[in-house]
Amino acid sequence: NAGVMQNPRHLVRRRGQEARLRCSPMKGHSHVYWYRQLPEEGLKFMVYLQKENIIDESGMPKERFSAEFPKEGPSILRIQQVVRGDSAAYFCASSPRVFYQLFFGSGTQLSVL
Amino acid sequence: GQQVMQIPQYQHVQEGEDFTTYCNSSTTLSNIQWYKQRPGGHPVFLIQLVKSGEVKKQKRLTFQFGEAKKNSSLHITATQTTDVGTYFCAANFGNEKLTFGTGTRLTIIP
Repeated sequence: NAGVMQNPRHLVRRRGQEARLRCSPMKGHSHVYWYRQLPEEGLKFMVYLQKENIIDESGMPKERFSAEFPKEGPSILRIQQVVRGDSAAYFCASSPRVFYQLFFGSGTQLSVL
Repeated sequence: GQQVMQIPQYQHVQEGEDFTTYCNSSTTLSNIQWYKQRPGGHPVFLIQLVKSGEVKKQKRLTFQFGEAKKNSSLHITATQTTDVGTYFCAANFGNEKLTFGTGTRLTIIP
């Protein structure tokens, strides 16, 4: 059973461009979480999704950020019109059910020039 | 808001010494989980505690959940260089969102 797959591992964007981060959960996992981590800091919750539904997006900025987890295909975290402050590591995690351990992907390091 | 505070933020220990990190909340927690993140890596699940006063051991690691379910600790006996990394606690505050603590970064002096 392959682990949580995130791609790309590294993404470089110029200010104003769009960033699309992909996450394929482990097989059989229908719960997906996105976290953001700045260097030397903790993991900040962004959004929690189940298949085709956003359950909790309380940690996601209202503007420029969106997330989806379609019936088929990976979960996507989309950042429009990126700014330098968006530079961070973005981790995706999946779980087979709530109140269970999270399995993390290797993360996407976003750098905004 | 719902936060989980961890102390200390940093800990430097000589190899072979013990290490403890503490996690505190002002509200009662449904459960608490612990994760380890190696430098440059991703968080990896260590354990979950659910019951009041629960104590679990994994080799040199001992995890405790407070009686009031508002605090937890991770203790490592006789640290080794492989223990280097950041240790996070994480909690559910009665909802599905898993909130991570601020983390304790452990470095080992050989």
